Amino acid sequence: EDQVTQSPEALRLQEGESSSLNCSYTVSGLRGLFWYRQDPGKGPEFLFTLYSAGEEKEKERLKATLTKKESFLHITAPKPEDSATYLCAAGLRGSQGNLIFGKGTKLSVKP
Amino acid sequence: DTAVSQTPKYLVTQMGNDKSIKCEQNLGHDTMYWYKQDSKKFLKIMFSYNNKELIINETVPNRFSPKSPDKAHLNLHINSLELGDSAVYFCASSQSTAPWEKLFFGSGTQLSVL
Repeated sequence: EDQVTQSPEALRLQEGESSSLNCSYTVSGLRGLFWYRQDPGKGPEFLFTLYSAGEEKEKERLKATLTKKESFLHITAPKPEDSATYLCAAGLRGSQGNLIFGKGTKLSVKP
Repeated sequence: DTAVSQTPKYLVTQMGNDKSIKCEQNLGHDTMYWYKQDSKKFLKIMFSYNNKELIINETVPNRFSPKSPDKAHLNLHINSLELGDSAVYFCASSQSTAPWEKLFFGSGTQLSVL
C-alpha cells in the first residue's frame, strides 16, 4: 500500500534554531513529491515539488531535498511566522492527480 | 481575487439533514477535487473531476454526491448527514490530472454535525 509518513508530529523551535522535517514514502512510481504549508483555518499552500532523487529546491528559509526513500524540509534560522503545519504529499504514476498526503508536522517557532 | 473559493466557511447542522458546499476556481484549471481532512488532520481524496467528468471516486458513502456544472465549479451535496461526517472539506484544483501538477486549495469548510 502506498504510504507517506512524516516525523516528528510536532516540533518546537526557538527563533533562529535550525532543524529538519522528515517525510518518508513507500510508493510505487513516484512522479512528484510535494511540500505544502497549512496555517490554522486555511487550506494547504504549495511550497515545492521535487521530481527526482538528488533534487533540491529553496525558498527563503526553507530548503527541500529528495532521496529515493525520503524527503527533508530544512528550516534555517526560523522565525515565528514560519509556524504552521507542513504537509508532504506524493503524486504517483497513473494516479490521475490524486495526491497521497502525510499527516503533517506542526512547527512552532518561539521568539 | 481568491483563486479557489468555497462556501460556506462553517456549516453546523443536525444529523439527518441535507447540505451542500460550493466551490469555484478562477485559475482556468481543468481538474477539481474534494478532499476531506479528519480530526487527526489527515487529508484524503474523495472525488476528482476533469473537464466536468468524474475520474476519481474513492470509497465514499453514496450520501455524498459531487456535481460539476462547468469546469470552474464543483459542488458537494451530502444527504442524511451523520456524526462521522464532521470534518473539514477542502476543494482544490490543478491544471491537469498529471501526477506532477500542484494543487491549489480553497480555505476549507468546517462541517459540524450535531
